[in-house]
Order: sequence, then C-alpha cells, then structure tokens
Amino acid sequence: KAGVTQTPRYLIKTRGQQVTLSCSPISGHRSVSWYQQTPGQGLQFLFEYFSETQRNKGNFPGRFSGRQFSNSRSEMNVSTLELGDSALYLCASSWRPFERNSQETQYFGPGTRLLVL
Amino acid sequence: GDSVTQMEGPVTLSEEAFLTINCTYTATGYPSLFWYVQYPGEGLQLLLKATKADDKGSNKGFEATYRKETTSFHLEKGSVQVSDSAVYFCALNQGGSEKLVFGKGTKLTVNP
Repeated sequence: KAGVTQTPRYLIKTRGQQVTLSCSPISGHRSVSWYQQTPGQGLQFLFEYFSETQRNKGNFPGRFSGRQFSNSRSEMNVSTLELGDSALYLCASSWRPFERNSQETQYFGPGTRLLVL
Repeated sequence: GDSVTQMEGPVTLSEEAFLTINCTYTATGYPSLFWYVQYPGEGLQLLLKATKADDKGSNKGFEATYRKETTSFHLEKGSVQVSDSAVYFCALNQGGSEKLVFGKGTKLTVNP
C-alpha cells in the first residue's frame, strides 16, 4: 500500500509570492491534517480535513488556508509569503478522525521543504 | 492549553547503552500519548502509543508506560543501535480531532 505522498518535495519562493502544496493520503484514508515544522517553534498543527470539511484549525494567520477534494487529496496554500514561512510542511492521513482510546493511527508523509528568500 | 515537555537534547550514547528520554505532559482529561521518530530527511513515523493510564506501548525494543499520576510517558530502550540515531518526539492527542501536540523533540546520536 502506498504511503502518504507530498508534492513537491522541495520548493524555493521569494517573499510576497504564494505557494500551493499537495498531499495525497493513503488509499482509503479520509482524514488529512497538516503541520508546520521549524527549528524554533517545532511541530505546530495547521489544520485538519475530513470529508472535504475543515474540522479544526491551528493558530496561524489567514494567509494559511487549505482544502480537501472529494478523493481525499488535500492542498494547502500560503499567500504573501514571509521569510518566517520557511519550514518543513508535513501532511498526515488516517482512516477517520482520531477518537479517544481508538486504535486509529496517523501516517505522515515525507514533507515539503519550503524555503522563502 | 495542552503541552508536552521533553528532555533537552542532544543525547549521545554508545551502542548497546540504555536509553531514557523523559516526557511529561499537561492536559485536561485523558489524552492518548505517542512517541514519533524522525530520521534525517524524512517525515514522522509512529514508534508507539498508549491510549489510557497504565498502558504500555512497545515497538522495536522501545517501551513507554502511560503514568497518569506523574503525567509522564518516558521512552526507554535497553540496548540502542547506531540505526536508532534520529529525533524522537513525544506527543498527545485529546480525541475528537486529529490535532497532535508535540514536544520539541530530542535528537539521539548512537556511536559505534
């Protein structure tokens, strides 16, 4: 079974530009979440989607947005890029939203490394 | 809000040494607890998890026990290998959401 795939793997942009990152979950998984990883802030939750609906959003400015398609693939968009947006963006998928005491597991992709110059 | 605190790294050990990475959490209710590992240039892999108090998660020789009385989930391995060199993250989840709250990570280097 193929894992979570993210494209592109590496990206270089300049300040003020916008960027779109893509995530394809494991086949059959309907829940997708996104995280930003930086050396200073560590891993921070961006948002999660289930059945094309955003269920939860982290504490990020409105420049960060996302969506999920009917085939469960997800995209996130960052507009008006800032230097501080340079990070590894990780996507994770699971069959359904995590419930307490469940055996559900999130599987992470390799990430997209974004460098903003 | 919920938070996870891990011991500061980096941690450097010789092969076959005993490993402990401390993790404590602050959360309301009864979160599920996880250890994830990140190898260089890769995403996160689930190492083990525990969903209720006194549960022990184990995988690949690593173990961690959910201790509610001390709000801890320390990672241990009896004999580390060079291939265990990676960054280890402790995390919690409250359920009803995919949101994982991560610690800062602990970099482990194992020398031959």
